[in-house]
Amino acid sequence: GIQVEQSPPDLILQEGANSTLRCNFSDSVNNLQWFHQNPWGQLINLFYIPSGTKQNGRLSATTVATERYSLLYISSSQTTDSGVYFCAVERGSYIPTFGRGTSLIVHP
Amino acid sequence: ETGVTQSPTHLIKTRGQQVTLRCSSQSGHNTVSWYQQALGQGPQFIFQYYREEENGRGNFPPRFSGLQFPNYSSELNVNALELDDSALYLCASSLAVQNGYTFGSGTRLTVV
Repeated sequence: GIQVEQSPPDLILQEGANSTLRCNFSDSVNNLQWFHQNPWGQLINLFYIPSGTKQNGRLSATTVATERYSLLYISSSQTTDSGVYFCAVERGSYIPTFGRGTSLIVHP
Repeated sequence: ETGVTQSPTHLIKTRGQQVTLRCSSQSGHNTVSWYQQALGQGPQFIFQYYREEENGRGNFPPRFSGLQFPNYSSELNVNALELDDSALYLCASSLAVQNGYTFGSGTRLTVV
């Protein structure tokens, strides 16, 4: 099956810093999503982005499908951004395959 | 518009017992998927239901089974619980198979 690799596995930031999270995938996909998992376990969809660039406030994402990667940018990070960020891809079956996530801690 | 709700939020069971977890889909969503998330891992796909029919299954043994009801709510049943079944179980719903998913907060199952 398709492989999804996320980097870095862990990230510690000071409030106000910017960061870039990366998702590499091993085969062509028909969809890609970024999620944020809060400390209570809920996965919140951030972006539905099979290709191109999208922005939502301080967050933006870019997927380059031909090169099989996606990037999630977090600008001016806040403590509420802490949690685990997952990339999930879909290939053919419309069933998402998740990476292992990037654990982000933002200190005040 | 209500989101995806799961019950119970926490559960402790003994090895060998059976458990049923429940999920109410977001209003209008006809597709539901179940995931198992072990500590420190990404969610692993268990199975998906579309309009009451199983629509795909991950690499989980037959003791993991499910149902989807006419109102699109769903159950996950696990028989003969093992210690390794301890995990966060997530339910996600979507409108049609190819749309983005909305996740519930999960049920944290501990098997002792």
